[in-house]
Amino acid sequence: QKEVEQNSGPLSVPEGAIASLNCTYSDRGSQSFFWYRQYSGKSPELIMFIYSNGDKEDGRFTAQLNKASQYVSLLIRDSQPSDSATYLCAVSGAGNNRKLIWGLGTSLAVNP
Amino acid sequence: DGGITQSPKYLFRKEGQNVTLSCEQNLNHDAMYWYRQDPGQGLRLIYYSQIVNDFQKGDIAEGYSVSREKKESFPLTVTSAQKNPTAFYLCASNAISGLPNEQFFGPGTRLTVL
Repeated sequence: QKEVEQNSGPLSVPEGAIASLNCTYSDRGSQSFFWYRQYSGKSPELIMFIYSNGDKEDGRFTAQLNKASQYVSLLIRDSQPSDSATYLCAVSGAGNNRKLIWGLGTSLAVNP
Repeated sequence: DGGITQSPKYLFRKEGQNVTLSCEQNLNHDAMYWYRQDPGQGLRLIYYSQIVNDFQKGDIAEGYSVSREKKESFPLTVTSAQKNPTAFYLCASNAISGLPNEQFFGPGTRLTVL
């Protein structure tokens, strides 16, 4: 069974620090990798996607993908209290299947 | 503005009743999905559809039904056979070709059984 695993947390970091969120996946055929942020009581919103090995940066966010190790991570630099949320990792398979396989999410708390 | 709408935002159901949750999108996406989320839990796939008049069961389809008569609409019915329906229901959509294939979400419907 295809799986996506994340540490549930909570991950607690001080304001201004770097938050590191990790995700591993089981399907070597996976093509696309996504990080969503979900505030309590709200729907998930896309932060970043990546589908090539290496790093992808967007503002304070950096996604890192290592397909050989089946590992994707999200770094949040200069963490702010507004970054406090649950971060969901999602992975899509190969071919025409457009479904995403979801991790359970990591809860992040940024302390002022 | 393009997006996904869900209604109602809050829904209360008495035991034994069927209720229907609405999901509409104007993103011209072919694929649509229904997820259920319980407190502190991840997203669990109920049903999905990649084309009009066709849909497939997800991981937890028992007690639910869907229809896909129009590309823009994918309503979910929670039947009385669903024993524990209280949850947050999320509708999503994405394109069926090209990369990336990220899913876009509606605001959700919170269903409570009285």
